[in-house]
Amino acid sequence: EPEVTQTPSHQVTQMGQEVILRCVPISNHLYFYWYRQILGQKVEFLVSFYNNEISEKSEIFDDQFSVERPDGSNFTLKIRSTKLEDSAMYFCASSPAYDNQPQHFGDGTRLSIL
Amino acid sequence: EDQVTQSPEALRLQEGESSSLNCSYTVSGLRGLFWYRQDPGKGPEFLFTLYSAGEEKEKERLKATLTKKESFLHITAPKPEDSATYLCAVRTSGSRLTFGEGTQLTVNP
Repeated sequence: EPEVTQTPSHQVTQMGQEVILRCVPISNHLYFYWYRQILGQKVEFLVSFYNNEISEKSEIFDDQFSVERPDGSNFTLKIRSTKLEDSAMYFCASSPAYDNQPQHFGDGTRLSIL
Repeated sequence: EDQVTQSPEALRLQEGESSSLNCSYTVSGLRGLFWYRQDPGKGPEFLFTLYSAGEEKEKERLKATLTKKESFLHITAPKPEDSATYLCAVRTSGSRLTFGEGTQLTVNP
């Protein structure tokens, strides 16, 4: 069964450094998403992406964050100048269409900021 | 602001002991309610989508139902492998899912 894959599974970074989290969505999906889950808290929406542009973003997704689809298969989340509070599990998801198709999630990247 | 509340926070069952998980929501206009299962260290795994009050979906030992204010996930004769955190999420306008805190289910053999 097709799945969303994320790399790395765990990333440790010094505060203030830039980090790039990578995702390969399911191949025929058109909509891509990033969510995060701080330890012990809810899964929170960050951003959705369609047709090479952001379609929706949350208040969490400020200028520190950016997303990109650099080629036909990868979808990345960049965090500039990381902060301690960025430590979380980051999940990538994809869906085939916009109209209430379920979003399918990867297994996440655990980001630890030291 | 969309709100999703799940109860109980944790539930411990004996194998074969049926029960229900609750997801209450307060939204401006529901376009879909989604149930996911999350195992430790993994991403949410899609289970069901419900679109309108009265709708029901079933998969093996799980059955999801929807009213205008809440959804239930019924687990019939659970097995230890059903142990996981069950997440409820709603979609209103836009593409984002708003998640509840989840119910951590443990099924003892």
